Amino acid sequence: DGGITQSPKYLFRKEGQNVTLSCEQNLNHDAMYWYRQDPGQGLRLIYYSQIVNDFQKGDIAEGYSVSREKKESFPLTVTSAQKNPTAFYLCASSIGDRPEEPYEQYFGPGTRLTVT
Amino acid sequence: DAKTTQPTSMDCAEGRAANLPCNHSTISGNEYVYWYRQIHSQGPQYIIHGLKNNETNEMASLIITEDRKSSTLILPHATLRDTAVYYCIVKGGYGGSQGNLIFGKGTKLSVKP
Repeated sequence: DGGITQSPKYLFRKEGQNVTLSCEQNLNHDAMYWYRQDPGQGLRLIYYSQIVNDFQKGDIAEGYSVSREKKESFPLTVTSAQKNPTAFYLCASSIGDRPEEPYEQYFGPGTRLTVT
Repeated sequence: DAKTTQPTSMDCAEGRAANLPCNHSTISGNEYVYWYRQIHSQGPQYIIHGLKNNETNEMASLIITEDRKSSTLILPHATLRDTAVYYCIVKGGYGGSQGNLIFGKGTKLSVKP
């Protein structure tokens, strides 16, 4: 089956610890994205990557870091600098990332992170 | 801020058509309108997209007004499983994050028996 996997589904951490969320896709997509969703809110873009070894900050990148060493993987690290890390984190991918072309993003099931 | 305006919530009777409106008065000529939906605690699911013409697929129909300032997503025969938050999105422009889909709060559609 082709798709996007995120693990784990639920994650608990203590304040002050860094935590890395996994995102893997086998759709052969070039572009990958990380979003954050807070209760009752829409999605906000954290980071995105259009190609391997390249990534850009989204709207709320502070306190987060990413890497894109492989096409199929785009892990997100929530650092201790992120002031309000508790949220639902969603990873997505798409064939490309060109504004003149239509495309759809495929989303993973999400990871719910709770930091206490 | 999101570039679209949607009602916060809507109800629909099971088996009837659900018509979800969206205003996007500042859309530019080369921006597409996308619709996604998110069932509780899951990742969003792509539904349909369009530029100028009306579009239809196995999930829904998209009606875009001639001036492109608004659109309507139509679920022809809503089922209980269509209960979800529906997001109307105008694809991000050329500046900054080109692929950014700006998700607002969407419309919470409740399909009732």
